[in-house]
Amino acid sequence: AQSVTQLGSHVSVSEGALVLLRCNYSSSVPPYLFWYVQYPNQGLQLLLKYTTGATLVKGINGFEAEFKKSETSFHLTKPSAHMSDAAEYFCAVTTNAGGTSYGKLTFGQGTILTVHP
Amino acid sequence: DAGVTQSPTHLIKTRGQQVTLRCSPKSGHDTVSWYQQALGQGPQFIFQYYEEEERQRGNFPDRFSGHQFPNYSSELNVNALLLGDSALYLCASSYRDREGYGYTFGSGTRLTVV
Repeated sequence: AQSVTQLGSHVSVSEGALVLLRCNYSSSVPPYLFWYVQYPNQGLQLLLKYTTGATLVKGINGFEAEFKKSETSFHLTKPSAHMSDAAEYFCAVTTNAGGTSYGKLTFGQGTILTVHP
Repeated sequence: DAGVTQSPTHLIKTRGQQVTLRCSPKSGHDTVSWYQQALGQGPQFIFQYYEEEERQRGNFPDRFSGHQFPNYSSELNVNALLLGDSALYLCASSYRDREGYGYTFGSGTRLTVV
């Protein structure tokens, strides 16, 4: 079984401040981890993903995340927030299903990011 | 190159009716998954289709069924609609790359049951 916990349903930062969105996962096998962003009335856009290799992953729009196996965490950061970053962010986990299969994604409850001028 | 396309974008149905939602995966993607996102929640996995067969299923009742066509497009059918079926329904197509695999999502269909 796999699960995701996102700490903080709402995070508020000032423009130019550090963004930190927290994600902890549970998985009995090595995980694949994803961060998606969702703007109002839209679908999910991939920010970044970790599958194998380097544990510090860089994504779009200046976001990055670090996979820490010992802490079962995959927190999302951005050094300087922009107004356009205001959205809802979802962390998700899956596993390598093997063969031609794809694992199902299990999502956290989401974190709404508000950016103040 | 078009991404994942879903239709319709919005839909209003009456309790007890049946609904069909459609999804075309991104070019080159052969596996389609469906997710239900209730208001204020994260998406929940409904099922996944590959080679025209249901390969995995989440914790959803049999009222939820699907189909995949030879061109990889897919339909989600929901029978006997309940008010609680009101949600954003997301379709995702899967792809493999050098690092493993990933998912591309469509913009979703907003279903309102009244």
